Amino acid sequence: ETGVTQSPTHLIKTRGQQVTLRCSSQSGHNTVSWYQQALGQGPQFIFQYYREEENGRGNFPPRFSGLQFPNYSSELNVNALELDDSALYLCASSLALGNTEAFFGQGTRLTVV
Amino acid sequence: DAKTTQPPSMDCAEGRAANLPCNHSTISGNEYVYWYRQIHSQGPQYIIHGLKNNETNEMASLIITEDRKSSTLILPHATLRDTAVYYCIVRVAQAAGNKLTFGGGTRVLVKP
Repeated sequence: ETGVTQSPTHLIKTRGQQVTLRCSSQSGHNTVSWYQQALGQGPQFIFQYYREEENGRGNFPPRFSGLQFPNYSSELNVNALELDDSALYLCASSLALGNTEAFFGQGTRLTVV
Repeated sequence: DAKTTQPPSMDCAEGRAANLPCNHSTISGNEYVYWYRQIHSQGPQYIIHGLKNNETNEMASLIITEDRKSSTLILPHATLRDTAVYYCIVRVAQAAGNKLTFGGGTRVLVKP
C-alpha cells in the first residue's frame, strides 16, 4: 500500500475534449510527478511539482498542464485530446530532500476515441 | 541522466535467484542507480538504489561494479509474484523532485 491514490481509475473521452486527472500524494510528501505510459512502453516523465510550483518538465506540449494544491495533492489537465493521448497516467510522490524513492499510484487508464 | 541497457526479457525458476543485469557505461560520479519494478496493471514500485557500494534490503540486493559501469539486481528467492517488468534507472540526486527516465526494462517471468 503506497498511499498514493489516483482518480478516476478508468476514463473514456472523445478526441478534442479536455480531461482532469487527480492525485493524492503520500502523507508528508511535497513533490508530485506525472508520467504517461503508452501500452508496452516504460513511463515517460511529463512534469513535476514541488511546493505548488512546476519544477521540471519532459517533452510534452503545453496542452498538458498541472496544478499542485497546498495539501500537495495534484491535478493533470490535458486539453484538446488526441487519440495518441490514450495511455496509463501515473502519479508519483516523494520527499523533496535529497535522494529519495518515488511512490507511485495505480494510475488512471485514459482512452481517447 | 545516463542511458541504461537491459535485456528485454528473461525467465527464472521459482525459488531460484534471479540476476538482472544493467549496463550504464556513461554513468557520472554523482549519479545513483535505481531499480523499480512494475507488476501488470500496477504503478512502478521502488526496489533499491545505490551509489557505489553494494546494497541489500528485504526485497533484493544491488551489486555495482567497481567502475560503476554496470550493476546487477539480485532477487534471492524468486516467487511467482516477482513476475514483472524491472527497470534500471540512473539519475542524479537532486534537492527537489524525482524525475525518473524509464527505458524498456527487463520483462521477468518466474516459472513454477
